[in-house]
Amino acid sequence: EDKVVQSPLSLVVHEGDTVTLNCSYEVTNFRSLLWYKQEKKAPTFLFMLTSSGIEKKSGRLSSILDKKELSSILNITATQTGDSAIYLCAGPLGSSNTGKLIFGQGTTLQVKP
Amino acid sequence: SAVISQKPSRDICQRGTSLTIQCQVDSQVTMMFWYRQQPGQSLTLIATANQGSEATYESGFVIDKFPISRPNLTFSTLTVSNMSPEDSSIYLCSVGTSVNYEQYFGPGTRLTVT
Repeated sequence: EDKVVQSPLSLVVHEGDTVTLNCSYEVTNFRSLLWYKQEKKAPTFLFMLTSSGIEKKSGRLSSILDKKELSSILNITATQTGDSAIYLCAGPLGSSNTGKLIFGQGTTLQVKP
Repeated sequence: SAVISQKPSRDICQRGTSLTIQCQVDSQVTMMFWYRQQPGQSLTLIATANQGSEATYESGFVIDKFPISRPNLTFSTLTVSNMSPEDSSIYLCSVGTSVNYEQYFGPGTRLTVT
């Protein structure tokens, strides 16, 4: 059964802190692993990772995939209150190329001033 | 990425009624999906909306409860039928590909059933 597990489930930090969010996956048909940020209703796309060891960066956010360990991390440096959100990790669902995703439980990040 | 809109953005409905949610994309897309996010939970895939044929439902979701239409490559609807308070959720449509599984989401519909 495909599974995506995130940790921690929630995190409270202060502005300026660096945080690391974890995602582990067990999927039958790995194609990619995706990270999303959800602030209100709609998740917004952050990163898609397909190759091990290659870091993707966007400003203060970065992510890397470890295919051997079946895991990924999302780092946020110099956190700001605007980073407060739910961060979701997702992987392919099912054994054929259906395009479907399975999501982890999410990590709720609260950044205090 | 495609621009996706959903209508309505929110609604409060009475138990036993039905609500149809619309999802419009500004370009033709192969794959469209519908998700549900119950309060405090993550996203759960309801079904894949197939153009010109019946939707493909995930375990735990049935067509009688969540009928889906997809008349063309830019539009889909999800109906939540015979609603109960347990249907109170955010409903999201998304578009994606089977190549790398990258998906983009519409703004969501927040449904409250009283």
